[in-house]
Amino acid sequence: DSGVTQTPKHLITATGQRVTLRCSPRSGDLSVYWYQQSLDQGLQFLIQYYNGEERAKGNILERFSAQQFPDLHSELNLSSLELGDSALYFCASSPPSRTEAFFGQGTRLTVV
Amino acid sequence: TQLLEQSPQFLSIQEGENLTVYCNSSSVFSSLQWYRQEPGEGPVLLVTVVTGGEVKKLKRLTFQFGDARKDSSLHITAAQPGDTGLYLCAGTPNTGNQFYFGTGTSLTVIP
Repeated sequence: DSGVTQTPKHLITATGQRVTLRCSPRSGDLSVYWYQQSLDQGLQFLIQYYNGEERAKGNILERFSAQQFPDLHSELNLSSLELGDSALYFCASSPPSRTEAFFGQGTRLTVV
Repeated sequence: TQLLEQSPQFLSIQEGENLTVYCNSSSVFSSLQWYRQEPGEGPVLLVTVVTGGEVKKLKRLTFQFGDARKDSSLHITAAQPGDTGLYLCAGTPNTGNQFYFGTGTSLTVIP
């Protein structure tokens, strides 16, 4: 158990809908990262937050947004969902002044 | 172009064989991490290498950080079926804030 909690574990929704994925980082970790992993694909970096502020942005679509709240949990919002958004979405956290990332178990999103 | 290139991309070997996975970049990293990911699960941190030339051992796994801190290798001795998985190197280059993952090496160890 990495200490990073993601909910829900599975999500099935229809095209055009909007979903919210939630991540609780490890206690004491200030950084939260979001990644997308499609079938047989590598980990695609979406966005990073540090202590509530956006720190780095990767290949995140305009239909996607994220935020990190004062209690350091983070949410990833995916809207106008398309079939191609079906993937595993991982959240990771890292402690201050450290570079290692600890991953949650992921949310498997299926868009039908 | 990926910042961290891994080779080989796929590797299928017999139980008991040795193997080496490479992670290369043109950028300098203050540290590099190696992760293993099993299907449907999140990557699990194996090791962090920090000092150029550093060698770390984790049971049958040996990790090395290049002298110039631009590359790393993972050597597995006497591979076991339990070593099967996707191996990923990762790190933050000295010039930026983003945490990058390598392209990945998918290892299958056949009993």
